[in-house]
Amino acid sequence: GQNIDQPTEMTATEGAIVQINCTYQTSGFNGLFWYQQHAGEAPTFLSYNVLDGLEEKGRFSSFLSRSKGYSYLLLKELQMKDSASYLCAVLDSNYQLIWGAGTKLIIKP
Amino acid sequence: GAVVSQHPSRVICKSGTSVKIECRSLDFQATTMFWYRQFPKQSLMLMATSNEGSKATYEQGVEKDKFLINHASLTLSTLTVTSAHPEDSSFYICSARQGVTEAFFGQGTRLTVV
Repeated sequence: GQNIDQPTEMTATEGAIVQINCTYQTSGFNGLFWYQQHAGEAPTFLSYNVLDGLEEKGRFSSFLSRSKGYSYLLLKELQMKDSASYLCAVLDSNYQLIWGAGTKLIIKP
Repeated sequence: GAVVSQHPSRVICKSGTSVKIECRSLDFQATTMFWYRQFPKQSLMLMATSNEGSKATYEQGVEKDKFLINHASLTLSTLTVTSAHPEDSSFYICSARQGVTEAFFGQGTRLTVV
């Protein structure tokens, strides 16, 4: 079966750095997405990785290792508004998005 | 980036009535749109894939007669929840894909059936 694992919840301090991990086992791979979702709102796109390596976009970076079935989202200089759920999703061989359950990130002052 | 508009954002309806949710891609043509539902503290659950001009493809366990999907044009897909019951109360979200590298989501619809 297809499976995506990410921690249920993480806590970090304002101004710090946090890394949210995602491991996946899917039938084929056509890229991995990270989305941010605030409570009661729809997800918003953060990043897309299809090749190995690190993609940096402002305070957010996303890393992918296809051989390990592993990705992480790195958030720097954390702000209170970063408190949200972060969803990892993989595009499988049928171009179907397979979603992780999401990681709830709690930022403390 | 591309914009997907979903309407209404919130709706309260009586048990047994039907509710229609619209999903529009505002600045691009979406041959395929996706409908999800999300329960509190859970991830997105794909309900169906909506293809313009053809029948929707429903995921296993999703009743096609209860959740009617119509994709009449390249910019509009609708989801109608028929004979709604309290257990249908949920957050419904549509998305449209532009190419394969990015999916854009509508704002979501919070449905409450009383």
